[in-house]
Amino acid sequence: RKEVEQDPGPFNVPEGATVAFNCTYSNSASQSFFWYRQDCRKEPKLLMSVYSSGNEDGRFTAQLNRASQYISLLIRDSKLSDSATYLCVVNGGTGRRALTFGSGTRLQVQP
Amino acid sequence: EPEVTQTPSHQVTQMGQEVILHCVPISNHLYFYWYRQILGQKVEFLVSFYNNEISEKSEIFDDQFSVERPDGSNFTLKIRSTKLEDSAMYFCASSESGARNYGYTFGSGTRLTVV
Repeated sequence: RKEVEQDPGPFNVPEGATVAFNCTYSNSASQSFFWYRQDCRKEPKLLMSVYSSGNEDGRFTAQLNRASQYISLLIRDSKLSDSATYLCVVNGGTGRRALTFGSGTRLQVQP
Repeated sequence: EPEVTQTPSHQVTQMGQEVILHCVPISNHLYFYWYRQILGQKVEFLVSFYNNEISEKSEIFDDQFSVERPDGSNFTLKIRSTKLEDSAMYFCASSESGARNYGYTFGSGTRLTVV
């Protein structure tokens, strides 16, 4: 089983649509969870941390289900500028700072 | 906004040569990292560095790799004898100490091409 598994997509959605990405992780000891976005041939950029209680940042909402080892990201009112690859990222466990990246889900928002 | 600076942006080297990739982390950060991304593949952890020593490393980070913080600002990755399969984008990152949910800041990367 992959350590962090994501649907590679691509997800092709019209502007204004709501789109959801899911991710599962295998290491039950993971303590820190993130969504990063990566534009083509650029560095990953932190989009948001993910907390068990769920958290929202503008149009973006992230959820974590520790029991199912499942993380989600919801993007509302998609913009053209949201087109990117979204990376699900977890750490290796208590005290470990090394991050394990999923392969990413590609989103293409179309006019 | 503070940023992590990497140089050069692109490095071409012959197989078997040594390369040094340079990074200037964010000034008040205490943890430093190197990751790599082979074209079309996922980002992979290489090594983390704290308090002037390696704190974690992956299986990829074998004896041909080394890291150094030669002064108060730079953080380098050395690859002693490059192989074709070392061709990748190498990202440096840094983070503050503190809350466990704090993410990193990545530099814009060095594209290493081994020929």
